[in-house]
Amino acid sequence: DADVTQTPRNRITKTGKRIMLECSQTKGHDRMYWYRQDPGLGLRLIYYSFDVKDINKGEISDGYSVSRQAQAKFSLSLESAIPNQTALYFCATGPTGTGDTQYFGPGTRLTVL
Amino acid sequence: QQQVKQSPQSLIVQKGGISIINCAYENTAFDYFPWYQQFPGKGPALLIAIRPDVSEKKEGRFTISFNKSAKQFSLHIMDSQPGDSATYFCAASGGGADGLTFGKGTHLIIQP
Repeated sequence: DADVTQTPRNRITKTGKRIMLECSQTKGHDRMYWYRQDPGLGLRLIYYSFDVKDINKGEISDGYSVSRQAQAKFSLSLESAIPNQTALYFCATGPTGTGDTQYFGPGTRLTVL
Repeated sequence: QQQVKQSPQSLIVQKGGISIINCAYENTAFDYFPWYQQFPGKGPALLIAIRPDVSEKKEGRFTISFNKSAKQFSLHIMDSQPGDSATYFCAASGGGADGLTFGKGTHLIIQP
């Protein structure tokens, strides 16, 4: 969905490097999410944010941090990347209210060597 | 702990046939059950969703059947077409837990 953009789309990095993945949205949604997708495992929630001052851990937050710079921007950082963080990362947005539709970005393919 | 179990992992259906994907959940507090469709290189896109106050929802060729007592829900794709070939994910949310809990996905292939 072009309303949710992610940069970069692909990234190859080395173990120990700090990496930031960025997400921006034009939908005006308050809620933003970061998910990780691994083959055969589906998508798992890393972090989510209800507004600029609200950050919450998801199922698999260890090794990750996030920053909500503005309503429209939500970035995910890997402070010291490790090979098992190689995955597809998706940002999603949603209107306020649990269970409402979430709109996903195109994803970032991250490879940690 | 896997809260949403999806089956089968892969499915091959002939064009014009019915594709059926099943999911079971554990958390009785879940109150929203969407299905997402994902094509290679794309993010998941909402296909259809249901809440537990109804047992069935139909949108075009796609139908969700929901069985609250069995804690199961399924996606039926009628008259399956090659363009339906994709990975399908069931998900659930609610009960105070935010974000979606996804099944592991079903890779669907529709053979011409």
